[in-house]
Amino acid sequence: AQKVTQAQTEISVVEKEDVTLDCVYETRDTTYYLFWYKQPPSGELVFLIRRNSFDEQNEISGRYSWNFQKSTSSFNFTITASQVVDSAVYFCALSAWGTGGFKTIFGAGTRLFVKA
Amino acid sequence: GAVVSQHPSWVICKSGTSVKIECRSLDFQATTMFWYRQFPKQSLMLMATSNEGSKATYEQGVEKDKFLINHASLTLSTLTVTSAHPEDSSFYICSAYLWDSPEAFFGQGTRLTVV
Repeated sequence: AQKVTQAQTEISVVEKEDVTLDCVYETRDTTYYLFWYKQPPSGELVFLIRRNSFDEQNEISGRYSWNFQKSTSSFNFTITASQVVDSAVYFCALSAWGTGGFKTIFGAGTRLFVKA
Repeated sequence: GAVVSQHPSWVICKSGTSVKIECRSLDFQATTMFWYRQFPKQSLMLMATSNEGSKATYEQGVEKDKFLINHASLTLSTLTVTSAHPEDSSFYICSAYLWDSPEAFFGQGTRLTVV
């Protein structure tokens, strides 16, 4: 079975602090894809990053960075020098072939509050 | 990137009526689309997989007679909430994949309120 766990329900930080959002996944597939999405209050999902199971190279994009470790089935997301505009719900997601075809499932989400 | 459009963005309906939500892939063809439901402060839960020209595949616990899905063309899938009740009030989001990409493209969502 596929599963995504985001153990942190809510995180509150002060602006300019660094914050790491955790994501642990489960799948039996050898080929799968991991994603992070941001969901602001408007509800629309904003794509942040995609990683496939064969690429463990970490990535940095501006203030965002991602750490993918297959050995621990984790795909953590770090925001450096957080800003108020980073306040949103962040979802980690897994896409893989499961029963019934290729699907994307989501973790429970982490609500990030960045205070000025 | 590919664009998926949902309509309407929000809808308020009376209890007992039916509501149709449209999901369109604007610049690509999608043989498969997905419908998710998100209750307040919760995650996106996959409801069903919509297949062009065939019956939808529903996830366990989703009432197929209540949530009717039609995927009549390669660019349009519709979700009809029949005999809506207040507990059906939720945020509904659709998604589709490009044929050669594992990345799902999401619509902007539809907020349904049943009064």
